[in-house]
Amino acid sequence: TQLLEQSPQFLSIQEGENLTVYCNSSSVFSSLQWYRQEPGEGPVLLVTVVTGGEVKKLKRLTFQFGDARKDSSLHITAAQPGDTGLYLCAARGGATNKLIFGTGTLLAVQP
Amino acid sequence: NAGVMQNPRHLVRRRGQEARLRCSPMKGHSHVYWYRQLPEEGLKFMVYLQKENIIDESGMPKERFSAEFPKEGPSILRIQQVVRGDSAAYFCASSPGQGRSNQPQHFGDGTRLSIL
Repeated sequence: TQLLEQSPQFLSIQEGENLTVYCNSSSVFSSLQWYRQEPGEGPVLLVTVVTGGEVKKLKRLTFQFGDARKDSSLHITAAQPGDTGLYLCAARGGATNKLIFGTGTLLAVQP
Repeated sequence: NAGVMQNPRHLVRRRGQEARLRCSPMKGHSHVYWYRQLPEEGLKFMVYLQKENIIDESGMPKERFSAEFPKEGPSILRIQQVVRGDSAAYFCASSPGQGRSNQPQHFGDGTRLSIL
């Protein structure tokens, strides 16, 4: 069974601080996705990383896919209260394209 | 363009009743996925359907749960004889389903099911 472990599980920081969220697995993935979910809403796709070692930037968010395609990280620079939410990594499981989600990181950015 | 529409947004049922959750995929999307989010377990895959076909139901409980995606109309997730443990947020996602298999899934805002 593929398992995606995220760390930390919870993170509470002050506005302006930097943070990194990790997504680790013992399995190799062809691609990995990051989602953000806000209370009362569904997950929203932030990025898909495909190539080992790939780095993608989305404004203040930087996503990296590990060289071996087993892990990924999300770094947020100068966090804002609007970054508050549940961050989920996800990988495709099997031939049917279903998503396997990570355990999640709940981020709270205090103003 | 309308996104994935789920209704109702909130559903309250008593133990033993039936719950029906509806999902209308994005326009042009023919593939639907259902996921369940429990507070202690995270977001878990339940079932994957194409029009009139169940493709993968490996995440569905063997009893009381069923899903369909008819030729016309929304996809339905049906839970019979609900129990307290069915309380969760149920999310539907859709994808175009044509061309490459790694097309992104677009999620609805979910149905929050509460069992009294």
